[in-house]
Parts: sequence; structure tokens; C-alpha cells
Amino acid sequence: GAVVSQHPSRVICKSGTSVKIECRSLDFQATTMFWYRQFPKQSLMLMATSNEGSKATYEQGVEKDKFLINHASLTLSTLTVTSAHPEDSSFYICSARVWTREETQYFGPGTRLLVL
Amino acid sequence: KQEVTQIPAALSVPEGENLVLNCSFTDSAIYNLQWFRQDPGKGLTSLLLIQSSQREQTSGRLNASLDKSSGRSTLYIAASQPGDSATYLCAVKSTGNQFYFGTGTSLTVIP
Repeated sequence: GAVVSQHPSRVICKSGTSVKIECRSLDFQATTMFWYRQFPKQSLMLMATSNEGSKATYEQGVEKDKFLINHASLTLSTLTVTSAHPEDSSFYICSARVWTREETQYFGPGTRLLVL
Repeated sequence: KQEVTQIPAALSVPEGENLVLNCSFTDSAIYNLQWFRQDPGKGLTSLLLIQSSQREQTSGRLNASLDKSSGRSTLYIAASQPGDSATYLCAVKSTGNQFYFGTGTSLTVIP
């Protein structure tokens, strides 16, 4: 099946710094990618929908100026957590949407962010 | 807004036992339902995808059913193995873009 990678797999940073997370579709093109966040013991929550060549669509309650999304190519979307704070520590997972006979989303392995 | 609930939150069974995980959702206007497996600190592995027009899907020891009218899905695991230990997530895709995830069932299979 299709493979989605994320880099880095885990990152530790100091409060106030910015962190960039990459999501790549390795063997297919994806015009749409999604970013999810998962806090401990909780389920995944959609943060934003990333569309190649256009602005991302953010879910209610997600600050677009804090979580910058760039989808510059059909195989790469990036999420930048700006001025990260400890409460941003979470597991961030991306997915890429593929249309064959039907719609399928393939999920990346996730990025663990710890902000000190 | 779609709400997805999974029961039980945690389950511990001896190896070899058959088990059922439950998922319920509040809005029956869904596009599809998917079961995922998540190992600790890892991403999601898709197990089974059921389209809204389907009633069940099978893969190996796994069987997932969907009753859209009642807002329910079950994941049946036959002859459980220690390697099945993981968190199982149910996700419903409504007619928009969004997947709505349940909080998962943490399964432990005891050797």
C-alpha cells in the first residue's frame, strides 16, 4: 500500500522555539493532506486540512498563526509549531488522501513533540 | 457534530480467546468507517475499511461489521495472540473531509 513518512519521529525543544514537522507521501501524489493531534489517553483530533497550492483549512479552535501549514508540492506538507509551549507537547500525525475507486487516507507514523 | 464512542476502554484477555470491540457513532450519515491499530508511540495501521453501503469486511482473523442505521460497528478478533496487543481505534468519515475518531480500546492479550 501507499506509504506516508514523517520527519522527525520525535523532537524535544525549548519553550519559545519553532519546530517544523514534515509529512511526505513516498510513492504517490496527494493534493490533500491532513494534520491530526493526539494528546495522551485521548483520540486523534483533526487540526487542519492541507491543500496543495492553496491555504490550509483549520478546524475550530486551532490557531492558524501558531500552526503554520505549507503544502508546496504534491508529496510534501509541513507543519510548523511556532513559539512552542509545553501545552503544545503532543503526538502529531499526518495523513494523505488518495482517490482510486474510492477515497482512502494513509497515515504517517507520527511525530512526538516535547516542549520543555 | 459526529461523536464516536468505543467500549470498552480497556480489555485484557488470555491468549486464544475470541473478542469483540464495539464502536458507536451518533450520526448515521457516514461515508465510511475504518478500524485502525495503534501501537504505543506509533502511528496508525489501517485494519479494515467498510464503505457505507457495505455490512462487513474480513481480513484474516479480523471481521468488522457495520450497522449504519443503528450507528454501530464491531471488530471481531478470532483466536487472539499476544501480538494483537495494541490500541484499536474506530474512525468514522462523514460526508465532509473529516475523520472522527473514537478514544480507542486498549487491548492486552496475556500469553
